[in-house]
Formats: sequence, structure tokens, C-alpha cells
Amino acid sequence: GAVVSQHPSWVICKSGTSVKIECRSLDFQATTMFWYRQFPKQSLMLMATSNEGSKATYEQGVEKDKFLINHASLTLSTLTVTSAHPEDSSFYICSFKLGDSGANVLTFGAGSRLTVL
Amino acid sequence: GQNIDQPTEMTATEGAIVQINCTYQTSGFNGLFWYQQHAGEAPTFLSYNVLDGLEEKGRFSSFLSRSKGYSYLLLKELQMKDSASYLCAVLDSNYQLIWGAGTKLIIKP
Repeated sequence: GAVVSQHPSWVICKSGTSVKIECRSLDFQATTMFWYRQFPKQSLMLMATSNEGSKATYEQGVEKDKFLINHASLTLSTLTVTSAHPEDSSFYICSFKLGDSGANVLTFGAGSRLTVL
Repeated sequence: GQNIDQPTEMTATEGAIVQINCTYQTSGFNGLFWYQQHAGEAPTFLSYNVLDGLEEKGRFSSFLSRSKGYSYLLLKELQMKDSASYLCAVLDSNYQLIWGAGTKLIIKP
């Protein structure tokens, strides 16, 4: 159980275009989810926390107008990188929060590698 | 501030044993996780420790000492497929996951 589908797995786009990444839970529902970004050889960096039906909470330094998060249902969240630039090239990973404690606190999507030319 | 330290890279031989250490300083503690991450893929769960001691799961074991802010992941009978990054993460008092930068493990034949 606890399967997360994230797509696209990889995307290449031109500078200035927008890219949408979708994250869907297939066999469970979760109120809270997280979007992470990971640059090469670095740790996961939390971008934002979103709760279904409310606005996302962004981490310091993450532009909310650039990284639009829509968490419209308990099974689906999207991250849209607007007007992407080469410095936005990164590995983006979503995760759903399954509980507040214990071993099953998070389950991850497979990640989306974005390359902006 | 909150900080998690783990070595950047380690090399080991196929069939051998390797120990990856993790030290942490966080605001509160609600458990420590180890994740495995192959290049270009999302992390996959390996272990969870919330009490002191050793948790064994097949070839992988994880140890925790809360008083020392220390954990290690022990991998036995190393296989080539174990080549990956190993991420240490701590659940703090707000139930937020604080991530280490990961240890890249290189397995040589």
C-alpha cells in the first residue's frame, strides 16, 4: 500500500515556459503533503507544505508566485514551476504524510527531473 | 539551529561490512530515519529508530543513541546494488523531517 504516482519523470523545457508536475496517491488519502527539491549531491530541501483545501506554506527563500502548489483533493497535488529558468533545473520530489509519528510518516513519489534550457 | 552530519562519501568492497554514521542536533526528537536513494530516484525507507538500541532488518541494521545524538546504519554482505546514497533524517518536535545531506556509498568488486 501507500503508492504515490508522480509524473512526468523527467521534462526538458525552454527558459520562460511553465511546467506542471503532478503527484497522486493511488491507494490512500492524505491531508498533508510536502514538495522537496534536490540539487545534485545535496540533501532534500523542503519547498512547501500543503494541506488539502488550503494555501501552501512555503519555506523561506521559496517564491510562492513562482512555484504554484495546488492541493485540491486528498489524493492529488500539483506543483507548477512558472517562467522556468535554468537555475530551476533540479529534481523535484513529492511526499504524502501518512501520520504524525512512527515509521510510516512519509511516502514519496518517484521524483521529476526538470531541465530548463 | 538544526543540524545533521554524515560523511559525504564512503567506499567499501563487495561482501564486506560498512557502517555509516549520523550525528544530529535538533529541536526535539521524535525518531530517526534512514533512507536509501539511488541516483535519479526518490528515497526509499530503510529503517526507523525512536528508542535506543539496535534494530536489525536482514542485511541492514540501524542503531540509535539519543543521549549522544548519534545513529549508524550497518550494511552487511554488501552487494553491488547497495551502491547508493544513504540519507539520515530526524523527526523534530514539530514532526518535521530534518534531512542530512546523504552519504554516497561506492561498492567495489
